[in-house]
Amino acid sequence: NAGVTQTPKFQVLKTGQSMTLQCAQDMNHNSMYWYRQDPGMGLRLIYYSASEGTTDKGEVPNGYNVSRLNKREFSLRLESAAPSQTSVYFCASSSRPGFAYNEQFFGPGTRLTVL
Amino acid sequence: GQQVMQIPQYQHVQEGEDFTTYCNSSTTLSNIQWYKQRPGGHPVFLIQLVKSGEVKKQKRLTFQFGEAKKNSSLHITATQTTDVGTYFCASQAGTALIFGKGTTLSVSS
Repeated sequence: NAGVTQTPKFQVLKTGQSMTLQCAQDMNHNSMYWYRQDPGMGLRLIYYSASEGTTDKGEVPNGYNVSRLNKREFSLRLESAAPSQTSVYFCASSSRPGFAYNEQFFGPGTRLTVL
Repeated sequence: GQQVMQIPQYQHVQEGEDFTTYCNSSTTLSNIQWYKQRPGGHPVFLIQLVKSGEVKKQKRLTFQFGEAKKNSSLHITATQTTDVGTYFCASQAGTALIFGKGTTLSVSS
């Protein structure tokens, strides 16, 4: 049982390049999330998917797109990377949206640098 | 939108001292969750509080939810070097969680 996995672990891009961050969970969770973490800013929600087939914007969606490929996988795409997108990206999943015990399980993160 | 404010942002203690971080909101919260992130790691769920005035303990950690459900605290008794990291509170906003900015704890032996 791997939990939440993310690829790649590290990535360096040049401004304007595109890339997709991959996330998968094997806990049969309904909801999945993408966060970015910057020093002093905590965790900010980029996009989330409450259930398979749905996606919604979070606090900082500009410059990103997402795809909920199936129940297991939720990808984050940067179409034209900018230095402001240098950050650590975390994917997370949870079992029951809006349910009382809705703890989130996080992946190990992707450390992205945009030059 | 809903926000949770955490204080302090940083705290340094000597091993054996106590530590407390506070989480405050201007609106009533449906619940509060606490997470810990070790340096270089990912956030890990610690606990969830749901009821007004709720107090839960995990060994040396004590979590409280305010009577008005607008604030919460995490208290660590007799800190150890293994307690270092950033502690986040988070509140439910529909399907999503809104995280505070966290309190980073450092401990010197």
